[in-house]
Amino acid sequence: DAGVIQSPRHEVTEMGQEVTLRCKPISGHDYLFWYRQTMMRGLELLIYFNNNVPIDDSGMPEDRFSAKMPNASFSTLKIQPSEPRDSAVYFCASNPGGASYEQYFGPGTRLTVT
Amino acid sequence: AQSVAQPEDQVNVAEGNPLTVKCTYSVSGNPYLFWYVQYPNRGLQFLLKYITGDNLVKGSYGFEAEFNKSQTSFHLKKPSALVSDSALYFCAVRGGGSYIPTFGRGTSLIVHP
Repeated sequence: DAGVIQSPRHEVTEMGQEVTLRCKPISGHDYLFWYRQTMMRGLELLIYFNNNVPIDDSGMPEDRFSAKMPNASFSTLKIQPSEPRDSAVYFCASNPGGASYEQYFGPGTRLTVT
Repeated sequence: AQSVAQPEDQVNVAEGNPLTVKCTYSVSGNPYLFWYVQYPNRGLQFLLKYITGDNLVKGSYGFEAEFNKSQTSFHLKKPSALVSDSALYFCAVRGGGSYIPTFGRGTSLIVHP
């Protein structure tokens, strides 16, 4: 398997623009997670899905952030409008389900909002 | 609620010396414990985990970790550090029937030549 795939790897955009990050989880994994990593706050869980259904979005910072999982092989994280403080590395991770399983992380998308 | 503490932001060690990266946790019920490594500009990569059984767990790249239930700790160790081990290390815990792990803030390991 190719692992978790994320695109784009780097995104530079201007404040106010819409940004869409994409993720393809490992086939057969029932759980999908979106994380944000910054120097100040470390690794933050934004939202996670189970079988394509959003379960907990309490980590989503504000209404400018939204996430969808239209099918088992694709998820998006959208920021509209983007702000400079959204600059971070965004990771997608998947998990087969079950407490004993580790997270499989994608390579991340480095977002810079100017 | 579950939580993880990595008390050291940074650990410095000379190449060839043993290294320890500390982790303590709090969780209800039996813990599932994990270590991940993050190299620059990369995603987190699984190193090892404790689920049950032997308290000493061996993982990738010569790393091992010891589960200590009485001290609620899961320290990461390696007998002889390499410069290439320099990276950010994360401890994570999952327990109480939760499928969602809680990650520590990470510890930067710097191995000096």
